[in-house]
Amino acid sequence: EVQLLESGGGLVQPGGSLRLSCAASGFTFSSYAMSWVRQAPGKGLEWVSAISGSGGSTYYAGSVQGRFTISRDNSKNTMSLQMNSLRAEDTAVYYCAKLTGFPNGWPNCWGQGTLVTVSS
Amino acid sequence: DFVMTQSPDSLAVSLGERATINCKSSQSILHSSNNKNYLAWYQQKPGQPPKLFIYWASTRESGVPDRFSGSGSGTDFTLTISSLQAEDVAVYYCQQYYSTPPSFGQGTRLEIK
Repeated sequence: EVQLLESGGGLVQPGGSLRLSCAASGFTFSSYAMSWVRQAPGKGLEWVSAISGSGGSTYYAGSVQGRFTISRDNSKNTMSLQMNSLRAEDTAVYYCAKLTGFPNGWPNCWGQGTLVTVSS
Repeated sequence: DFVMTQSPDSLAVSLGERATINCKSSQSILHSSNNKNYLAWYQQKPGQPPKLFIYWASTRESGVPDRFSGSGSGTDFTLTISSLQAEDVAVYYCQQYYSTPPSFGQGTRLEIK
């Protein structure tokens, strides 16, 4: 059974940094691209970033380009999102998702999410 | 970027009746190389992550009831629930994966009338 478990969320001040992690199990992690999708409270879904199975290719939403960095460690079956220069509008539940392909794949399995709150 | 627009924003349908949700892309998401529409539909219930329901615009994910169907091509797509059940109450999102970054519609909230 595919399982994705996010961690690292919490309260951070504007301008601060936070690192999210996603632990994956139940599939051959290195064979699949992964992504982060976020959802602000009471709002819709927004794509944040994605990374290829090898980790050699990535892409970002314009709203986070230059501030967020996605990475993965295939030896540990984990993916991370380093978030710097955080803003109030980054407040959201961040979901880790497994993709069916890269770059043109869709999420077919999602974690439960981790809440990031940016506030002073 | 591709903009996905859903209509309506909310919808109330009686149990056993048909529900129709529309999704329009700002550009065609039909790929000429394989004649496939790069569109997925998700269901999200309160407090839960989204769940994949349909991909390639009309292919149901394993385990999705056959009362759910997807149709459309190019820029205009539809998610249809043929006979609404109480457990179908949720927010539904369309998503294009033709172009990066992928983009979601704003969501349609489906309720029981």
